[in-house]
Amino acid sequence: DSGVTQTPKHLITATGQRVTLRCSPRSGDLSVYWYQQSLDQGLQFLIQYYNGEERAKGNILERFSAQQFPDLHSELNLSSLELGDSALYFCASSVAPETNYGYTFGSGTRLTVV
Amino acid sequence: GESVGLHLPTLSVQEGDNSIINCAYSNSASDYFIWYKQESGKGPQFIIDIRSNMDKRQGQRVTVLLNKTVKHLSLQIAATQPGDSAVYFCAENIHPTPLVFGKGTRLSVIA
Repeated sequence: DSGVTQTPKHLITATGQRVTLRCSPRSGDLSVYWYQQSLDQGLQFLIQYYNGEERAKGNILERFSAQQFPDLHSELNLSSLELGDSALYFCASSVAPETNYGYTFGSGTRLTVV
Repeated sequence: GESVGLHLPTLSVQEGDNSIINCAYSNSASDYFIWYKQESGKGPQFIIDIRSNMDKRQGQRVTVLLNKTVKHLSLQIAATQPGDSAVYFCAENIHPTPLVFGKGTRLSVIA
């Protein structure tokens, strides 16, 4: 157990729907990162939060949004889902946003859009 | 498992042999590099890191080499074991931006 908890582990939904993925960071970590992993891609950075504030944005679609709550857990909201959104979504956490000590990843949420 | 479906280059190695996994990184300004291992059904797991002021770092059975001249990173695994079978990703970072991951290499250990 890495200490980063992601729920749900699996999610199957229809096109056009909206889903919410949840992440609880490792105890003591203030920064949360969301990554997408699809068949032909490595890990694509989506967005980063630190202590409740958005810190950096990557290749995140406008249909996707995220937030980090006061208790530091984070949610990734995916709306108007398309077949191409089917992927593994990983959350990672680190102590601070400027850390150069790597991230701890959760086990991911597998999203299947049908 | 989750990583099985990825379309990745594959390295097949006999059990007991040494493995070398290569990575070309993209940004000459990157100052920190990490190798991650992703086993089926799990998230990426930290293996070893190296900073740009070093060219070699050793861990337990693993060595990372950094060649900044050609922007190349390699991971050497000594005496490869079946448990080493996984997808390996290199990641680079320019402080303080988030880690950027390479596409990954699948290591298959033949018993």
